[in-house]
Amino acid sequence: GQQLNQSPQSMFIQEGEDVSMNCTSSSIFNTWLWYKQDPGEGPVLLIALYKAGELTSNGRLTAQFGITRKDSFLNISASIPSDVGIYFCAGQDSSNTGKLIFGQGTTLQVKP
Amino acid sequence: NAGVTQTPKFRILKIGQSMTLQCTQDMNHNYMYWYRQDPGMGLKLIYYSVGAGITDKGEVPNGYNVSRSTTEDFPLRLELAAPSQTSVYFCASSYWMDEQFFGPGTRLTVL
Repeated sequence: GQQLNQSPQSMFIQEGEDVSMNCTSSSIFNTWLWYKQDPGEGPVLLIALYKAGELTSNGRLTAQFGITRKDSFLNISASIPSDVGIYFCAGQDSSNTGKLIFGQGTTLQVKP
Repeated sequence: NAGVTQTPKFRILKIGQSMTLQCTQDMNHNYMYWYRQDPGMGLKLIYYSVGAGITDKGEVPNGYNVSRSTTEDFPLRLELAAPSQTSVYFCASSYWMDEQFFGPGTRLTVL
């Protein structure tokens, strides 16, 4: 089946640093979504991208839908301790199923 | 709006027991989903529904059953629990098949 490769798998950074993570796929996606999961909670939607090349911001978060429609990245600027969690990318495939495929997640730890 | 609610939050089952995980959404969403999340892994789709009375298998449906008699509710049934079903289960809903909203999860342990 379709798979997303999300990297890095984990990051340990200093408060105030910028963070970048990305997802790549072997197939084309119509939609890219980025979620954050806090410990013991369900994933929460951060950003949704619908057009190739689209760049969208949500506060300190910025995400882009790759031109090839096979990749997306998420940047977090000036990280703070509450950014800690697991970040998931998800792509909606272009077949008639339309289901979301999730990456394996990037675990972010921020040192105050 | 409460969003997506799931019960119970935690459950321990013995091998061979059965149980139903409950999921309710109050956003009038057409689509509902069940995922499982194993440690260090992403989310795997178990079953989904595009509306009341319509369900379909996802990536890992074996050992589970679902029903969708109303727009709001989408219960997940485990008939004969096995240790391989130890996981965290998330229910989600969406208006279209894209921006999905997740519940808080049910942590299930099968011993």
